[in-house]
Amino acid sequence: GAGVSQSPSNKVTEKGKDVELRCDPISGHTALYWYRQSLGQGLEFLIYFQGNSAPDKSGLPSDRFSAERTGGSVSTLTIQRTQQEDSAVYLCASTLRSGSYEQYFGPGTRLTVT
Amino acid sequence: GQNIDQPTEMTATEGAIVQINCTYQTSGFNGLFWYQQHAGEAPTFLSYNVLDGLEEKGRFSSFLSRSKGYSYLLLKELQMKDSASYLCAVRDPKGNAGNMLTFGGGTRLMVKP
Repeated sequence: GAGVSQSPSNKVTEKGKDVELRCDPISGHTALYWYRQSLGQGLEFLIYFQGNSAPDKSGLPSDRFSAERTGGSVSTLTIQRTQQEDSAVYLCASTLRSGSYEQYFGPGTRLTVT
Repeated sequence: GQNIDQPTEMTATEGAIVQINCTYQTSGFNGLFWYQQHAGEAPTFLSYNVLDGLEEKGRFSSFLSRSKGYSYLLLKELQMKDSASYLCAVRDPKGNAGNMLTFGGGTRLMVKP
């Protein structure tokens, strides 16, 4: 497909477990963004990648959250020792480059921590 | 800090016109966006304003006043499928966040027959 894809679409995990969320951006898009959307809330910026580097990690809620991007393409968001407050929809978006104005969003991963 | 305000919910009638307002106070400004998000789906791009004035695109129009920190999204000839959340977002060029977007909480629009 031509759009941003994310996997899994749904993830239910027990409190304390680690989870990995994956994002495949649109081919050729160099900029990649992770957002979190809690129930009834707006989107909250987490982290941004330009190529494989993340110049700004200040949006990550705690040191339990980390993200990496390899080959300038796929990105993985990892949450260690999940807590119930981590339950949210995690959205990934990509743009051709950081100066491009339109961000294309993936369908998101709905994470539920029990 | 960043602050973007928009009404939480609005209701309108099929065929009518509705205006969704957004006010913002951000440390930087490099454009304002409107996204549509149907329940359980990803946000989809509707409009982008970086200069003052009105941008029209079919049934949807978006207005921006930078001096007032104000924007609105105007939806004409409402259809049932327009029932969705409408997200206002400001792009901030500050720092190293690559023009990341700061979103308001979204306005849930319900269109009734």
